Amino acid sequence: AQKVTQAQTEISVVEKEDVTLDCVYETRDTTYYLFWYKQPPSGELVFLIRRNSFDEQNEISGRYSWNFQKSTSSFNFTITASQVVDSAVYFCALSEANTGGFKTIFGAGTRLFVKA
Amino acid sequence: EAGVVQSPRYKIIEKKQPVAFWCNPISGHNTLYWYRQNLGQGPELLIRYENEEAVDDSQLPKDRFSAERLKGVDSTLKIQPAELGDSAVYLCASSGGALSNYGYTFGSGTRLTVV
Repeated sequence: AQKVTQAQTEISVVEKEDVTLDCVYETRDTTYYLFWYKQPPSGELVFLIRRNSFDEQNEISGRYSWNFQKSTSSFNFTITASQVVDSAVYFCALSEANTGGFKTIFGAGTRLFVKA
Repeated sequence: EAGVVQSPRYKIIEKKQPVAFWCNPISGHNTLYWYRQNLGQGPELLIRYENEEAVDDSQLPKDRFSAERLKGVDSTLKIQPAELGDSAVYLCASSGGALSNYGYTFGSGTRLTVV
């Protein structure tokens, strides 16, 4: 069975601090896909990144970076030099290839507060 | 291009009343999903459509929930009768196919409060 754990319920930082959001996943499938979504106060989930299980390269996009480590089943998300606009709930998600990629399981989310 | 459109944005009803939510996915997206998001939790899949066919409704509480996507475009999710525990945000999402490189596109959701 697939499972996503985001142990941090809430994180509060001061603007310009770096912050890392943790994500640990469980799956029996050898091929799977990991995602991060952002949910601002407006409510819609905004896709940030997808990572395939066979691609362990870390990724950087502007102030965002992702660290995928299969050995520890983790897919952590770091925001560098955080800004107030980064305040949102962030969800890590997992989709197994044996479901055709259609069954996406979400973690409980981490609420990030960035104070000015 | 318009995103996934949902209405209403908010709904407050008394328990035992019926309620319906509407979703218009991104044009050309064959796959449509309804998710329920309880307070402080991640979204949970209720039903997935491929065009007009419900291909995964295993987590839909069929005694009171129903959904349809008659022409393979927009979709309606209904609850009848609503219970207090149905209070949640109902999210609609669409995608251009499995394993889209861009994940799902979500609507802003309908926040349902049952009193």
